[in-house]
Amino acid sequence: QVQLVQSGAEVKKPGASVKVSCKASGYTFTNYAVQWVRQAPGQRLEWMGWINVGNGNTKYSRKFQGRVTITTDTSASTAYMEVSSLRSEDTAEYYCATDSSGNWFDPWGQGALVTVSS
Amino acid sequence: QSALTQPRSVSGSPGQSVTISCTGTSSDVGGYKYVSWYQQHPGKAPKLMIYDVNKRPSGVPDRISGSKSGNTASLTISGLQAEDEADYYCCSYAGSSTYVFGTGTKVTVL
Repeated sequence: QVQLVQSGAEVKKPGASVKVSCKASGYTFTNYAVQWVRQAPGQRLEWMGWINVGNGNTKYSRKFQGRVTITTDTSASTAYMEVSSLRSEDTAEYYCATDSSGNWFDPWGQGALVTVSS
Repeated sequence: QSALTQPRSVSGSPGQSVTISCTGTSSDVGGYKYVSWYQQHPGKAPKLMIYDVNKRPSGVPDRISGSKSGNTASLTISGLQAEDEADYYCCSYAGSSTYVFGTGTKVTVL
């Protein structure tokens, strides 16, 4: 079955960068896009951006444009999401999801908690 | 891109029905047939419940349904069960390959 497994929790200092991975299995990785969504503690889901794994094209939310980079390693069936210039407000659970070529997110990875603290 | 507006909370007794609204604009909910709904239990990843306004993925019971009228989408849970107690989020395609989520609704089973 389609499964996404994300990297573990990270603690970073303000100003640093973090790179979260998302390893896919159970389908042909290049067939579907990978989406990234974050959720600050007690807050709503927030769409960050996505990558067309087949051609490498990306699209980012205006809020994260310039500070977030989404990439893939197709040989490893893994997507990556890097956030630079971290600040305390970036403390959140970061989720990846695939979209089965539709306008929805399913399934989701288990999430990766990123804590930004001095 | 502003978040779609959902009620903060709704509640109902077991067996009753509850409806969650999701209000956007003509640039998102009203402009496309691409509204999806997600259920999230505490400490868990979200789970897809409805896609393309009113389609159910395999495994989602038929007491869960979705609809849309103008700029407002709705999720209805009929025959409320204890396991339905969770947070629910709507999401809409917003054009130019972007998406926007709702503010989230906590469903409480009394």
